[in-house]
Amino acid sequence: GIQVEQSPPDLILQEGANSTLRCNFSDSVNNLQWFHQNPWGQLINLFYIPSGTKQNGRLSATTVATERYSLLYISSSQTTDSGVYFCAGESGNTPLVFGKGTRLSVIA
Amino acid sequence: KAGVTQTPRYLIKTRGQQVTLSCSPISGHRSVSWYQQTPGQGLQFLFEYFSETQRNKGNFPGRFSGRQFSNSRSEMNVSTLELGDSALYLCASSFGGLAGNEQFFGPGTRLTVL
Repeated sequence: GIQVEQSPPDLILQEGANSTLRCNFSDSVNNLQWFHQNPWGQLINLFYIPSGTKQNGRLSATTVATERYSLLYISSSQTTDSGVYFCAGESGNTPLVFGKGTRLSVIA
Repeated sequence: KAGVTQTPRYLIKTRGQQVTLSCSPISGHRSVSWYQQTPGQGLQFLFEYFSETQRNKGNFPGRFSGRQFSNSRSEMNVSTLELGDSALYLCASSFGGLAGNEQFFGPGTRLTVL
C-alpha cells in the first residue's frame, strides 16, 4: 500500500502566526483528505482535495498530484487551531491510509 | 443532515470479554469503514463494508470482525479482548464509489481493556 509522510511532526506557534503542513505520498492517490482531530478524538473534515487548491476561511490546501504531495496552510493561527492534523490518501481500491499527523500547539 | 453516530462512546471491559460497537452512517452513504487509533500505531484500517459485503480488510487478527446491515448500519465485534485492544475505534462513512470518496468520521468509541 501507499506510504504517507507528514511534516513537521510537531509545531509550536504564537497566536497570529502562519504555518504550512506538508504531506508526501509514495504513490499517486485518487482521494486525499485533510483532517483536524479535536481534543475528544473526532476527526473533523477540513478538505477533500485530490488535486488543485481550495480555501476555507483561514485554511487553504493545495495538492500537486503529479508530484505526490499536499500542503495545508493555516493563516493567522488561533489557540482553537491546536490539535493534531492528519492527511490521508487512497490509491486505487486500497483503503484510506493516514500519516502520523502534525501536532500543532498555538500559544496565546 | 445528521452525521455519523457511534455507540457507545466509552466502554470499559476486562481481558477475555468480547465487545460490540455500533456505527450509523450518514443517510445515503453505503460504505462504512472502521479504524483503530492507538498512540503507538496511529490510525490503522480495520475493514470496510459496502452493501453488506466486506470489501477491504486490514491486517488485524480474526478476533476483530464486523458486519453491515441492509440499512447500512455497521457493527464491529472484538472477541477475547486483550490489553492491547485498548484504543479509540473510529468509523467513517462515504458514498462508496470506486473512484474515491470523501469519508466522514464519527466521534469514536473509546475502549479500555483492564
